[in-house]
Amino acid sequence: DAKTTQPNSMESNEEEPVHLPCNHSTISGTDYIHWYRQLPSQGPEYVIHGLTSNVNNRMASLAIAEDRKSSTLILHRATLRDAAVYYCILRGLNTGFQKLVFGTGTRLLVSP
Amino acid sequence: DTEVTQTPKHLVMGMTNKKSLKCEQHMGHRAMYWYKQKAKKPPELMFVYSYEKLSINESVPSRFSPECPNSSLLNLHLHALQPEDSALYLCASSQISLRTGVHNEQFFGPGTRLTVL
Repeated sequence: DAKTTQPNSMESNEEEPVHLPCNHSTISGTDYIHWYRQLPSQGPEYVIHGLTSNVNNRMASLAIAEDRKSSTLILHRATLRDAAVYYCILRGLNTGFQKLVFGTGTRLLVSP
Repeated sequence: DTEVTQTPKHLVMGMTNKKSLKCEQHMGHRAMYWYKQKAKKPPELMFVYSYEKLSINESVPSRFSPECPNSSLLNLHLHALQPEDSALYLCASSQISLRTGVHNEQFFGPGTRLTVL
């Protein structure tokens, strides 16, 4: 499985935008980029995913570099509830897209 | 109903006990998963069931025995566990695309926190 690299932690203030980076230089052409987050004492929850184009949904935006070797998860206005560990994950055709292989993730701290 | 439920929430067992973890979803999902998460570590995939058949076993020791009796239920039978098996056990489910066979985004339960004495 292709690896992802994320900063261990990031800090933000409430109501400010947050840009969470992810590097995936060995990504293959059929790998989708997925983001999940895990709030304290909860199971992970799906945030967003994309292949080549930038994506938006009600939770966040995903910006994918043109060469696909990196991506950025954007939270437009952070709230205290967004404090979580954010995982950037590649899902590939080689496992029928069945597997989620979690890396170490980025712990996002949000201050009031 | 967009929930994955897991019971029990907490479980303490001895190394000679036999116990089971239960997971249930009523979203019509045909893929279900077990993950193990140690403290301050990311979740690790253990098993994947697709259409009630085991499709992936990540070389998990045989003291963990999964079972998928129907499309809504997933069990994890535990026997002769070791203290190092203490962890949060997470269940997840997802839809499988009829057109492509691709597993869509996963919905996770809150987990069962297992302590092995």
